[in-house]
Amino acid sequence: GQNIDQPTEMTATEGAIVQINCTYQTSGFNGLFWYQQHAGEAPTFLSYNVLDGLEEKGRFSSFLSRSKGYSYLLLKELQMKDSASYLCAVRAGNMLTFGGGTRLMVKP
Amino acid sequence: DAGITQSPRHKVTETGTPVTLRCHQTENHRYMYWYRQDPGHGLRLIHYSYGVKDTDKGEVSDGYSVSRSKTEDFLLTLESATSSQTSVYFCAISDRGSTSTDTQYFGPGTRLTVL
Repeated sequence: GQNIDQPTEMTATEGAIVQINCTYQTSGFNGLFWYQQHAGEAPTFLSYNVLDGLEEKGRFSSFLSRSKGYSYLLLKELQMKDSASYLCAVRAGNMLTFGGGTRLMVKP
Repeated sequence: DAGITQSPRHKVTETGTPVTLRCHQTENHRYMYWYRQDPGHGLRLIHYSYGVKDTDKGEVSDGYSVSRSKTEDFLLTLESATSSQTSVYFCAISDRGSTSTDTQYFGPGTRLTVL
């Protein structure tokens, strides 16, 4: 089975940096995904890690440590539009298992 | 954006009635998925399909059935809706090519209320 944990809520200030952590325990692993979901909308793909290390994509970066069962999503230069839920998901076999999501509130 | 539509977008129904949700894609992707999203539970997989007439169960399949008679359409049926099936339902698609990361792309969702 899969177990994925991430904080329920976080608050940060516009222009700052925020790190959203995700820990997982899985019986198989072939990739970790991060999605962004604005309220009332569909999840949209942000990043994918399958090897250890940092993947950078503009203001967003994602890190993976397979030996520790740990990932984080780093958001730089926060903007108000970054207020959303961030979903961590682990792929094992044919299926993605999602964490409960982290609701990020960006304040002026 | 991936070409995925869901219908209906909103539905209110009564306990015991059958309900069918439709997912339609224009990307010719092989894999299609149905999830439900509830507060405190995140996204949970109901069923998925890996080709026409090929389907398998997910984490929360009880009370749901699916069918896929064409590549572009994946139907989710609640044979006899219950209040516990009130949720937001998302369809997703992915392409499992040999060099693909198998990223799943989501449709806009269907909000179902069972009274």
